[in-house]
Amino acid sequence: SAVISQKPSRDICQRGTSLTIQCQVDSQVTMMFWYRQQPGQSLTLIATANQGSEATYESGFVIDKFPISRPNLTFSTLTVSNMSPEDSSIYLCSVEGRSVTEAFFGQGTRLTVV
Amino acid sequence: QKEVEQDPGPLSVPEGAIVSLNCTYSNSAFQYFMWYRQYSRKGPELLMYTYSSGNKEDGRFTAQVDKSSKYISLFIRDSQPSDSATYLCAMSGRAGGGNKLTFGTGTQLKVEL
Repeated sequence: SAVISQKPSRDICQRGTSLTIQCQVDSQVTMMFWYRQQPGQSLTLIATANQGSEATYESGFVIDKFPISRPNLTFSTLTVSNMSPEDSSIYLCSVEGRSVTEAFFGQGTRLTVV
Repeated sequence: QKEVEQDPGPLSVPEGAIVSLNCTYSNSAFQYFMWYRQYSRKGPELLMYTYSSGNKEDGRFTAQVDKSSKYISLFIRDSQPSDSATYLCAMSGRAGGGNKLTFGTGTQLKVEL
């Protein structure tokens, strides 16, 4: 199994500012995934980050709002830009496991925008 | 209509009870079905997964998939307070090459002494 560390674990931010969330994996992985988990809502995929290429964003998510970096095979960042209270959520980093659709998740970053 | 529907609960049961958690879905392309458990302030962890229709048992946990009805279930026997968590169903239409999973909203379960 993969061990995923996310930082920060929580933060309270002012609207209009940006927050960068870091995700570190203990092994090299091809793809990393960023999810959002809003209260009462499903875990929703924001984007897929491949090393050496632009991230692929899901419908409803754009690069200007959620820029992603993937500088190497063990690390990725997600930035939540120009935040508003609607961005208050848990953001989760994920990597795929060896079996067909197994996914490992970090502990999440709990973001509150005030 | 959401692709995956899951009763959010909360569901409260006494210790030792049999728990039934369910999801329905609309996308007939889904082939892989998973259940994740998420403790408070933690990320989800994979509990079980099944491919296509059928049952799968692992200890006190049994996963069932009925593709004809587009309905999946997770049964927990002899429930324990340590089973108290949110249970998320997840589905995918493909194997490998990226885990673009579609999740339910999760059912919050509390097992009381």
